[in-house]
Amino acid sequence: EAGVAQSPRYKIIEKRQSVAFWCNPISGHATLYWYQQILGQGPKLLIQFQNNGVVDDSQLPKDRFSAERLKGVDSTLKIQPAKLEDSAVYLCASSKVGWRETQYFGPGTRLLVL
Amino acid sequence: DAKTTQPTSMDCAEGRAANLPCNHSTISGNEYVYWYRQIHSQGPQYIIHGLKNNETNEMASLIITEDRKSSTLILPHATLRDTAVYYCIVRPQGAQKLVFGQGTRLTINP
Repeated sequence: EAGVAQSPRYKIIEKRQSVAFWCNPISGHATLYWYQQILGQGPKLLIQFQNNGVVDDSQLPKDRFSAERLKGVDSTLKIQPAKLEDSAVYLCASSKVGWRETQYFGPGTRLLVL
Repeated sequence: DAKTTQPTSMDCAEGRAANLPCNHSTISGNEYVYWYRQIHSQGPQYIIHGLKNNETNEMASLIITEDRKSSTLILPHATLRDTAVYYCIVRPQGAQKLVFGQGTRLTINP
């Protein structure tokens, strides 16, 4: 079974530029999560989708971050404009519907903002 | 969400049992204890979870104290590939999101 796919794996940009990350969840997983992991810390949830609807985006900095999940499968996370403090690993995870279901994580995209 | 406390780092010899403690003294009755680990440059990986009873699977065992205020994750025969950051998470029943702390960095030494 293929895992969660993310691209790109690495990205370096200058502050005030924009960037987008892509995630393809495990087939059949209706729930998709984006987490931000700053160096030395645990992952922090940014947004959760169920199918193409947002379930929780309370921690998403909406002035610069946006995410969408058109057609309820792939998802993109965008930062515009980026700040230095956005340097982090952005992890995508997916699961079947239901709180008991295991979340499976992708390898992440490592972003460096200069 | 209940807060967890874990040691920052631990070492264990290869082939020995690795015992990782977690304190969750404010846990409430409907909150589960979950363990995930994160190997370098990878995403977190689910290990095991429990409510009250001890649990065992192919990866590890989870021992939860009777008062549920602490737990221990046991890797019975640690290998070099078990070197990772281990996260203990308290998760309310019905809550889908995971709230990660800083975890324990476990190093398995040859």
